[in-house]
Amino acid sequence: QKEVEQDPGPLSVPEGAIVSLNCTYSNSAFQYFMWYRQYSRKGPELLMYTYSSGNKEDGRFTAQVDKSSKYISLFIRDSQPSDSATYLCAMSAEGFKTIFGAGTRLFVKA
Amino acid sequence: DGGITQSPKYLFRKEGQNVTLSCEQNLNHDAMYWYRQDPGQGLRLIYYSQIVNDFQKGDIAEGYSVSREKKESFPLTVTSAQKNPTAFYLCASSIAGRTGPYNEQFFGPGTRLTVL
Repeated sequence: QKEVEQDPGPLSVPEGAIVSLNCTYSNSAFQYFMWYRQYSRKGPELLMYTYSSGNKEDGRFTAQVDKSSKYISLFIRDSQPSDSATYLCAMSAEGFKTIFGAGTRLFVKA
Repeated sequence: DGGITQSPKYLFRKEGQNVTLSCEQNLNHDAMYWYRQDPGQGLRLIYYSQIVNDFQKGDIAEGYSVSREKKESFPLTVTSAQKNPTAFYLCASSIAGRTGPYNEQFFGPGTRLTVL
Protein backbone atom coordinates (compact mmCIF):
# COMPACT_ATOMS: atom_id res chain seq x y z
CA GLN A 1 0.00 0.00 0.00
CA LYS A 2 1.31 3.43 -0.93
CA GLU A 3 1.76 5.96 1.84
CA VAL A 4 -0.31 8.48 -0.11
CA GLU A 5 -3.17 7.54 -2.44
CA GLN A 6 -4.62 9.95 -4.98
CA ASP A 7 -7.10 9.19 -7.75
CA PRO A 8 -5.36 10.04 -11.06
CA GLY A 9 -8.61 10.99 -12.80
CA PRO A 10 -9.05 12.56 -15.24
CA LEU A 11 -11.79 14.66 -13.70
CA SER A 12 -13.82 16.73 -16.14
CA VAL A 13 -16.20 19.48 -14.95
CA PRO A 14 -18.05 22.40 -16.54
CA GLU A 15 -16.89 25.95 -15.92
CA GLY A 16 -18.27 27.33 -12.65
CA ALA A 17 -18.53 23.94 -10.92
CA ILE A 18 -17.19 23.21 -7.46
CA VAL A 19 -14.30 20.77 -7.70
CA SER A 20 -13.31 18.38 -4.93
CA LEU A 21 -9.87 16.74 -5.03
CA ASN A 22 -8.84 14.23 -2.40
CA CYS A 23 -5.98 12.21 -0.98
CA THR A 24 -5.81 9.52 1.66
CA TYR A 25 -2.74 8.54 3.60
CA SER A 26 -1.60 5.83 5.99
CA ASN A 27 1.11 7.49 8.12
CA SER A 28 -0.48 9.05 11.20
CA ALA A 29 2.72 11.04 11.83
CA PHE A 30 2.06 13.33 8.84
CA GLN A 31 1.26 16.83 10.03
CA TYR A 32 2.21 19.14 7.17
CA PHE A 33 -0.05 19.00 4.14
CA MET A 34 0.38 20.70 0.80
CA TRP A 35 -1.37 21.02 -2.53
CA TYR A 36 0.58 21.77 -5.69
CA ARG A 37 -0.76 22.67 -9.13
CA GLN A 38 1.18 21.50 -12.16
CA TYR A 39 0.45 22.68 -15.68
CA SER A 40 1.48 20.47 -18.58
CA ARG A 41 5.28 20.31 -19.03
CA LYS A 42 5.86 22.71 -16.12
CA GLY A 43 7.11 22.38 -12.57
CA PRO A 44 4.61 22.14 -9.69
CA GLU A 45 3.69 25.38 -7.91
CA LEU A 46 2.59 25.49 -4.30
CA LEU A 47 -1.10 26.33 -3.87
CA MET A 48 -1.89 25.63 -0.24
CA TYR A 49 0.06 24.69 2.88
CA THR A 50 -1.68 23.56 6.07
CA TYR A 51 -0.50 22.29 9.40
CA SER A 52 -2.39 19.59 11.32
CA SER A 53 -6.18 19.44 11.05
CA GLY A 54 -8.66 22.06 9.96
CA ASN A 55 -9.49 24.26 7.02
CA LYS A 56 -7.57 26.94 5.19
CA GLU A 57 -9.05 29.24 2.59
CA ASP A 58 -7.31 31.30 -0.09
CA GLY A 59 -9.56 32.94 -2.64
CA ARG A 60 -11.41 30.23 -4.57
CA PHE A 61 -9.36 27.47 -2.95
CA THR A 62 -10.05 25.70 0.36
CA ALA A 63 -7.82 23.02 1.82
CA GLN A 64 -9.27 20.67 4.40
CA VAL A 65 -7.44 18.17 6.60
CA ASP A 66 -9.14 15.42 8.61
CA LYS A 67 -6.39 13.65 10.52
CA SER A 68 -8.81 11.27 12.25
CA SER A 69 -9.78 9.87 8.84
CA LYS A 70 -6.35 10.40 7.28
CA TYR A 71 -8.01 12.32 4.47
CA ILE A 72 -7.25 15.67 2.88
CA SER A 73 -9.21 17.64 0.33
CA LEU A 74 -8.83 20.63 -1.94
CA PHE A 75 -11.98 22.45 -3.03
CA ILE A 76 -12.03 24.83 -5.97
CA ARG A 77 -15.06 27.12 -6.20
CA ASP A 78 -16.26 28.72 -9.44
CA SER A 79 -13.80 26.63 -11.44
CA GLN A 80 -12.26 28.22 -14.53
CA PRO A 81 -10.68 26.72 -17.67
CA SER A 82 -7.37 28.11 -16.37
CA ASP A 83 -7.69 25.71 -13.41
CA SER A 84 -7.17 22.80 -15.82
CA ALA A 85 -4.00 21.16 -14.56
CA THR A 86 -2.72 18.25 -12.50
CA TYR A 87 -3.11 18.69 -8.74
CA LEU A 88 -0.62 16.96 -6.49
CA CYS A 89 -1.11 16.45 -2.78
CA ALA A 90 2.00 16.23 -0.61
CA MET A 91 2.58 15.62 3.07
CA SER A 92 5.36 15.18 5.60
CA ALA A 93 6.08 14.47 9.22
CA GLU A 94 8.36 16.63 11.34
CA GLY A 95 11.91 16.25 10.10
CA PHE A 96 11.17 13.70 7.42
CA LYS A 97 10.96 13.85 3.67
CA THR A 98 7.91 15.00 1.75
CA ILE A 99 5.74 12.32 0.13
CA PHE A 100 3.79 13.22 -3.01
CA GLY A 101 0.60 11.75 -4.41
CA ALA A 102 0.47 10.69 -8.06
CA GLY A 103 -1.64 13.70 -9.01
CA THR A 104 -5.21 14.17 -10.29
CA ARG A 105 -5.71 15.57 -13.79
CA LEU A 106 -8.48 18.16 -13.88
CA PHE A 107 -10.19 19.51 -16.99
CA VAL A 108 -12.54 22.49 -16.70
CA LYS A 109 -14.63 22.91 -19.84
CA ALA A 110 -15.73 26.37 -20.98
CA ASP B 1 13.40 37.95 -9.61
CA GLY B 2 13.98 34.98 -7.30
CA GLY B 3 13.46 31.45 -8.47
CA ILE B 4 14.79 28.13 -9.67
CA THR B 5 16.05 27.56 -13.18
CA GLN B 6 16.67 24.27 -14.91
CA SER B 7 18.40 23.65 -18.18
CA PRO B 8 18.03 22.39 -20.76
CA LYS B 9 14.26 22.16 -21.10
CA TYR B 10 14.56 19.14 -23.39
CA LEU B 11 17.48 16.72 -23.54
CA PHE B 12 18.11 13.71 -25.74
CA ARG B 13 20.56 11.01 -24.78
CA LYS B 14 21.94 8.12 -26.70
CA GLU B 15 22.38 4.74 -25.10
CA GLY B 16 25.59 4.58 -23.04
CA GLN B 17 25.96 8.33 -22.62
CA ASN B 18 26.14 10.31 -19.40
CA VAL B 19 24.23 13.58 -19.36
CA THR B 20 24.12 16.38 -16.81
CA LEU B 21 21.03 18.40 -15.89
CA SER B 22 21.54 21.85 -14.47
CA CYS B 23 19.67 23.37 -11.51
CA GLU B 24 20.32 26.85 -10.14
CA GLN B 25 18.47 28.80 -7.44
CA ASN B 26 18.80 32.37 -6.22
CA LEU B 27 16.40 32.01 -3.29
CA ASN B 28 19.27 31.59 -0.80
CA HIS B 29 17.81 28.21 0.16
CA ASP B 30 20.01 25.73 1.98
CA ALA B 31 18.28 22.56 0.77
CA MET B 32 17.94 21.31 -2.80
CA TYR B 33 16.29 18.21 -4.23
CA TRP B 34 16.05 16.19 -7.42
CA TYR B 35 12.88 14.31 -8.30
CA ARG B 36 11.87 12.11 -11.15
CA GLN B 37 8.28 12.18 -12.44
CA ASP B 38 6.81 9.39 -14.56
CA PRO B 39 3.21 9.25 -15.87
CA GLY B 40 0.77 8.03 -13.22
CA GLN B 41 3.35 8.13 -10.44
CA GLY B 42 4.12 10.63 -7.77
CA LEU B 43 7.39 12.49 -7.57
CA ARG B 44 10.19 10.14 -6.57
CA LEU B 45 13.20 11.53 -4.72
CA ILE B 46 16.55 10.86 -6.36
CA TYR B 47 18.99 12.88 -4.24
CA TYR B 48 18.82 15.75 -1.81
CA SER B 49 21.29 18.12 -0.23
CA GLN B 50 20.78 19.99 3.02
CA ILE B 51 23.99 21.98 2.86
CA VAL B 52 26.92 22.70 0.57
CA ASN B 53 29.33 19.78 0.07
CA ASP B 54 26.85 17.30 1.50
CA PHE B 55 24.12 15.22 -0.13
CA GLN B 56 22.13 12.05 0.55
CA LYS B 57 20.55 9.37 -1.61
CA GLY B 58 16.82 9.38 -2.01
CA ASP B 59 14.59 6.45 -2.93
CA ILE B 60 15.87 5.89 -6.47
CA ALA B 61 19.52 7.04 -6.52
CA GLU B 62 20.91 4.13 -8.55
CA GLY B 63 22.31 5.32 -11.87
CA TYR B 64 22.41 8.98 -10.81
CA SER B 65 25.06 11.21 -9.25
CA VAL B 66 25.07 14.78 -7.89
CA SER B 67 27.40 17.42 -6.54
CA ARG B 68 26.83 20.46 -4.34
CA GLU B 69 29.90 22.66 -4.57
CA LYS B 70 27.95 25.91 -4.38
CA LYS B 71 24.84 26.81 -2.42
CA GLU B 72 22.96 27.91 -5.52
CA SER B 73 23.80 24.95 -7.76
CA PHE B 74 22.87 21.25 -7.64
CA PRO B 75 23.57 19.48 -10.95
CA LEU B 76 22.32 15.95 -11.60
CA THR B 77 24.20 13.48 -13.80
CA VAL B 78 22.24 10.64 -15.35
CA THR B 79 24.75 7.91 -15.98
CA SER B 80 24.68 5.03 -18.43
CA ALA B 81 23.96 2.76 -15.45
CA GLN B 82 20.42 4.18 -15.24
CA LYS B 83 18.43 1.61 -17.21
CA ASN B 84 15.27 3.60 -17.85
CA PRO B 85 16.16 7.30 -17.73
CA THR B 86 13.39 8.68 -19.95
CA ALA B 87 11.36 10.89 -17.60
CA PHE B 88 10.61 14.44 -16.47
CA TYR B 89 13.20 15.65 -13.95
CA LEU B 90 12.34 18.29 -11.39
CA CYS B 91 14.65 20.25 -9.15
CA ALA B 92 13.36 21.87 -5.97
CA SER B 93 14.67 23.88 -3.07
CA SER B 94 13.56 24.79 0.44
CA ILE B 95 14.84 27.10 3.16
CA ALA B 96 16.18 24.15 5.14
CA GLY B 97 16.33 20.42 4.70
CA ARG B 98 14.17 19.55 7.67
CA THR B 99 10.42 19.53 6.98
CA GLY B 100 8.39 21.79 9.16
CA PRO B 101 6.40 25.01 9.19
CA TYR B 102 7.08 27.39 6.32
CA ASN B 103 9.64 25.04 4.83
CA GLU B 104 7.77 24.03 1.74
CA GLN B 105 9.58 23.10 -1.46
CA PHE B 106 9.65 25.30 -4.55
CA PHE B 107 10.15 23.72 -7.95
CA GLY B 108 11.93 24.58 -11.15
CA PRO B 109 10.32 24.23 -14.61
CA GLY B 110 11.75 20.75 -15.22
CA THR B 111 13.88 18.97 -17.83
CA ARG B 112 12.42 16.31 -20.07
CA LEU B 113 15.02 13.65 -20.83
CA THR B 114 14.49 11.21 -23.67
CA VAL B 115 16.74 8.28 -24.47
CA LEU B 116 17.05 7.63 -28.19
